[in-house]
Amino acid sequence: DVKVTQSSRYLVKRTGEKVFLECVQDMDHENMFWYRQDPGLGLRLIYFSYDVKMKEKGDIPEGYSVSREKKERFSLILESASTNQTSMYLCASTEGGDSYEQYFGPGTRLTVT
Amino acid sequence: QKEVEQDPGPLSVPEGAIVSLNCTYSNSAFQYFMWYRQYSRKGPELLMYTYSSGNKEDGRFTAQVDKSSKYISLFIRDSQPSDSATYLCASRDDKIIFGKGTRLHILP
Repeated sequence: DVKVTQSSRYLVKRTGEKVFLECVQDMDHENMFWYRQDPGLGLRLIYFSYDVKMKEKGDIPEGYSVSREKKERFSLILESASTNQTSMYLCASTEGGDSYEQYFGPGTRLTVT
Repeated sequence: QKEVEQDPGPLSVPEGAIVSLNCTYSNSAFQYFMWYRQYSRKGPELLMYTYSSGNKEDGRFTAQVDKSSKYISLFIRDSQPSDSATYLCASRDDKIIFGKGTRLHILP
């Protein structure tokens, strides 16, 4: 079974803090993704990566950065957390190429106060 | 216009009823069409996929694509309370594009 794990299920941070969300997949997948999910807005793609040390902006990259130093690990960084970044964050991976199946982690519910 | 449109619901139906979930899409180049299911406090999981037009059946679930009208459907027969979840339709060009999801409640 493919497993995508995320470092925290729930996280509470203060405005202005630097926040790290970690994601690890165990199936040697090429591609990894970070989404945020909000009521009424659905899944929105923040950043994705097709290979180690590569990153591509998604639809809403502002206020976020990412790091992919190893194939299995993809980190999302909030440089200076703001209250409008309170959301559910979901990491996903795919095998590569034209794969239609994304494997999602359980999500991190981040609250910024 | 978002490329995959989906009514957010919620949709409430009695147990045993047939459920119909629908999406429309705008890009005629889409070839793969997927349905993901997301239980509360979990990540989405792939439920079914179809390639191009036609039907695909898996147990109580049938996925249907009509490329002429750019319409995607998921039918659930003999619905169960355990089917209560959010259902996201999706397609792909260079990356997967998700609809916003429809919340479904099956009432016991």
